[in-house]
Amino acid sequence: DAGVTQSPTHLIKTRGQHVTLRCSPISGHKSVSWYQQVLGQGPQFIFQYYEKEERGRGNFPDRFSARQFPNYSSELNVNALLLGDSALYLCASSHSQGRSPLHFGNGTRLTVT
Amino acid sequence: AQKITQTQPGMFVQEKEAVTLDCTYDTSDQSYGLFWYKQPSSGEMIFLIYQGSYDEQNATEGRYSLNFQKARKSANLVISASQLGDSAMYFCAMNAGGTSYGKLTFGQGTILTVHP
Repeated sequence: DAGVTQSPTHLIKTRGQHVTLRCSPISGHKSVSWYQQVLGQGPQFIFQYYEKEERGRGNFPDRFSARQFPNYSSELNVNALLLGDSALYLCASSHSQGRSPLHFGNGTRLTVT
Repeated sequence: AQKITQTQPGMFVQEKEAVTLDCTYDTSDQSYGLFWYKQPSSGEMIFLIYQGSYDEQNATEGRYSLNFQKARKSANLVISASQLGDSAMYFCAMNAGGTSYGKLTFGQGTILTVHP
């Protein structure tokens, strides 16, 4: 079975631009979460979607938004990019809201210049 | 709010030896889960082991075991018979409050280096 897939793997954007990151969960997983990992730190929770509804939001500005599609894939959008948005963005999926662990993708490395 | 503290920025171990990575947590919730993840230089987060707050036995998964001391609020990871491929960043994480396991709070991580 394919794992969590994210695209693109790397991205370079300029300050003020907009970016869309994509994630396909493991087949059968209905929950998708997004995390931001700045170099040298642990991942920080951004969003969680379950059955296409937002179930949690971390302490991030409104420039960050996300959605989940009927096939459970997800997009993370970031508007008005800042230099501080440069990070590894990780997507994770899980089977349900129960005791199943998160399975992470390889991430998208975003560089804002 | 939950908090995870990993006090060891870096650890070194000789191949085939055992190593313990420390993790302490803080939460006011009675129901919570504790996780350990491994992150190689490639960036992928690999799930290693899980411990529920009501689990009476310490979790074990192959060479990984979790030393869960509830009263001390610690959840240390023990890796037995270290291998060169174990060199990576290791993160302790938790979920609490009966919320979805999609929302994890991570620690700062510990870089483990295994020497031949």
